[in-house]
Amino acid sequence: IAGITQAPTSQILAAGRRMTLRCTQDMRHNAMYWYRQDLGLGLRLIHYSNTAGTTGKGEVPDGYSVSRANTDDFPLTLASAVPSQTSVYFCASSPDSSSGANVLTFGAGSRLTVL
Amino acid sequence: GQNIDQPTEMTATEGAIVQINCTYQTSGFNGLFWYQQHAGEAPTFLSYNVLDGLEEKGRFSSFLSRSKGYSYLLLKELQMKDSASYLCAARDSNYQLIWGAGTKLIIKP
Repeated sequence: IAGITQAPTSQILAAGRRMTLRCTQDMRHNAMYWYRQDLGLGLRLIHYSNTAGTTGKGEVPDGYSVSRANTDDFPLTLASAVPSQTSVYFCASSPDSSSGANVLTFGAGSRLTVL
Repeated sequence: GQNIDQPTEMTATEGAIVQINCTYQTSGFNGLFWYQQHAGEAPTFLSYNVLDGLEEKGRFSSFLSRSKGYSYLLLKELQMKDSASYLCAARDSNYQLIWGAGTKLIIKP
């Protein structure tokens, strides 16, 4: 089934630990995104990639890094986790970064708790 | 600044009609999106408006007025499965999506 796979589904992490959230898509979409979703707030963009080999900072990039070595994979790394990074993280992809409807397809989400 | 406003929560009755409003302020405008998100699940695309007017898709319709910075999502013949959060998002001049906090819709029998 075509779509986006995220892993892990959920994780409890001690503060200060390093964590990588994995995201893989099989739709050959050019653009990929990482969002965090917190209660009472809209989805906030962390980082994005318009095409393989390029990345950009979103609204809340501090404490996070990404890479886009190929079209399919877009991992998100927390170098040293802090409690404020407790959130639900969604990876998404779209055919490209602009033009037309450019509908986002979301992964199922990764629930991260930092203690 | 850029901002999206939508009601936090609404309640409606099964079989009825409900209208969820969204107002937006963005730097430039390149379209208005509605997504549905069931509890504990990922958002899924519902509708896209870039021109003024009404777009109808089955039981769901979405309206846009660019001059007023206003959109609404209209859900007809409500079903229990429509209980979900509805997310409004506007795309700015840089083609970045600005998201509202979502409207939680509760359907009662």
